[in-house]
Amino acid sequence: AQTVTQSQPEMSVQEAETVTLSCTYDTSENNYYLFWYKQPPSRQMILVIRQEAYKQQNATENRFSVNFQKAAKSFSLKISDSQLGDTAMYFCAFMEYGNKLVFGAGTILRVKS
Amino acid sequence: DTAVSQTPKYLVTQMGNDKSIKCEQNLGHDTMYWYKQDSKKFLKIMFSYNNKELIINETVPNRFSPKSPDKAHLNLHINSLELGDSAVYFCASSQELAGGETQYFGPGTRLLVL
Repeated sequence: AQTVTQSQPEMSVQEAETVTLSCTYDTSENNYYLFWYKQPPSRQMILVIRQEAYKQQNATENRFSVNFQKAAKSFSLKISDSQLGDTAMYFCAFMEYGNKLVFGAGTILRVKS
Repeated sequence: DTAVSQTPKYLVTQMGNDKSIKCEQNLGHDTMYWYKQDSKKFLKIMFSYNNKELIINETVPNRFSPKSPDKAHLNLHINSLELGDSAVYFCASSQELAGGETQYFGPGTRLLVL
């Protein structure tokens, strides 16, 4: 079974600084998809970024970018110019065929002013 | 203009009761899901439906029964509630069953069983 590991239970960053959240996964599949979701205190699950494993290019969405290392099975999220509104729990997720999302345990990110 | 909505948002009930959570999506998606987030915030898929057909059933106790009257709705009925059922339940939907489709989540229903 696929597993997703987020090794940082909590992180903090100063406003306007850059922070990287790590994620590793285990799979024997060659084609799959990876996601980062954000869950602020409101509880809503919000998609941050999506990566297709067959694409070499790292996905980017405004201040959010990923470092996807397929051979190392690593999928880290970089948040640039951190804002107070980025304070949330961040979940890394792996998707196999059939759209089953497997989530990591999450990383709580606190942005300090 | 909520894309994926759930009712109720909060549910407090006694052990042994039966309760339902409703989910509706107005995105025109074919596939819907139920996830459970436990007290440690761990998220796990329970069920998925595609065009009213059950696709994924993740060894959930048979006290949990999903029902999809049409592809825009996926309800979750729970019989004989237990303390361990206390959690946040999320509904989600995606365009289709093909791999890689982004799932859009509802706001969650916090269930507390006393």
